[in-house]
Amino acid sequence: DAGITQSPRHKVTETGTPVTLRCHQTENHRYMYWYRQDPGHGLRLIHYSYGVKDTDKGEVSDGYSVSRSKTEDFLLTLESATSSQTSVYFCAISDSWGRPQETQYFGPGTRLLVL
Amino acid sequence: QKEVEQDPGPLSVPEGAIVSLNCTYSNSAFQYFMWYRQYSRKGPELLMYTYSSGNKEDGRFTAQVDKSSKYISLFIRDSQPSDSATYLCAMSASSGNTGKLIFGQGTTLQVKP
Repeated sequence: DAGITQSPRHKVTETGTPVTLRCHQTENHRYMYWYRQDPGHGLRLIHYSYGVKDTDKGEVSDGYSVSRSKTEDFLLTLESATSSQTSVYFCAISDSWGRPQETQYFGPGTRLLVL
Repeated sequence: QKEVEQDPGPLSVPEGAIVSLNCTYSNSAFQYFMWYRQYSRKGPELLMYTYSSGNKEDGRFTAQVDKSSKYISLFIRDSQPSDSATYLCAMSASSGNTGKLIFGQGTTLQVKP
């Protein structure tokens, strides 16, 4: 998985609790992305980062926040989890060295269940 | 209407068949076209990417882009049971150097021995 780890890999939580997912990369790539994957929707971009402390919203950012204090780590926080945030979350990385930055490499995913 | 449409299948074929997977899109600004393969309970892995129109071949896989029709295809020759997976198309207009991708829903393929 291209030097990308996600933690935790599985999590069960209750509605209203905060949840933080971590993405860690060892590739020194500039760009990092958080997606969620749901049946019938494919992958949808939540937030992305184009450098340390530089982030922006994606297609489905409501209810999520992110932080990137180091090149290698990109955190996704659900401020107050809801059942609609039950999903599989994927982190991806990319860079523009020798190939388009659109070529993204994905982590193994985190399965989140909000009860 | 979604920007990228992909028939979710499932698609079932016998081993050795030629498989055709397709996506249509509505945004004429898309310039980069990707195909990802995703095995069950794994992250997507990049198979191929194409810039603008044309064909690209890599082993048993061929990607085609027809921008005039807003249609892309992935062909798999001599399909193998190990090709059984979900195939996702993805596209980007590459505006602002963000590399943001729009994905199709994915097509589930089963290749039977």
